[in-house]
Amino acid sequence: QAQLVQSGPEMKKPGASVKVSCKASGYTFSSYSMSWVRQAPGQGLEWVGWISGYNGDTNYAYKYSGRVTMTTDTSTSTTTVYLYLRSLTSDDTAIYYCARVTSWVYDLGNYEDLWGQGTLVTVSS
Amino acid sequence: DIQMTQSPSSLSASVGDRVTIACRASRDIRTHLNWYQQKSGKAPELLVYAASSLQGGVPSRFSGSGSGTDFFLTISDLQPEDFAIYYCQQSDITPRTFGPGTRVDIK
Repeated sequence: QAQLVQSGPEMKKPGASVKVSCKASGYTFSSYSMSWVRQAPGQGLEWVGWISGYNGDTNYAYKYSGRVTMTTDTSTSTTTVYLYLRSLTSDDTAIYYCARVTSWVYDLGNYEDLWGQGTLVTVSS
Repeated sequence: DIQMTQSPSSLSASVGDRVTIACRASRDIRTHLNWYQQKSGKAPELLVYAASSLQGGVPSRFSGSGSGTDFFLTISDLQPEDFAIYYCQQSDITPRTFGPGTRVDIK
């Protein structure tokens, strides 16, 4: 069945970069986009951006522009989506989720219908 | 950006109760509104999309309503497994934005 499996926890120092992976399987990757959503400890959900599974187009939340890059790797039998975040600060400490996004339909909008298990990124000196 | 608010921020209820959570958008988002449930230590799960469409596998005691700027999630006959945090999210424009969440606790 469809699933998203993310990479393990990361510990980084301020100023460093982190790369989180999300391995997608069990569905037609090109029919969906992939969002990244983060959740700081004890806080709510915040959308970071998304990447199209069809053509690799990206759309990042403005506050992350210039610091975030999302890519896909379809070179193997399973497709992996990557979130790369640089110039980390303690404010970036959070669980990062990848989530599959359905195609946009005028009357329905779209939605994140399948989520990875989350990756904890801790930024501390 | 579209701002999303939710009320109440938390509520206490008993098994069998009917509870309603409200979500308001800062501008008209038509019916481009989704609801998610998040249990402690777990990833969010989609409950309702397009304001009132129940995601497959979600119990029928969950229902969504509303359009424009005001939306509601109702849980009838609250069950022990429903105690969680509930988030609304607008999908009308990017950046996609979430409400701050409503925590449903056991009374």
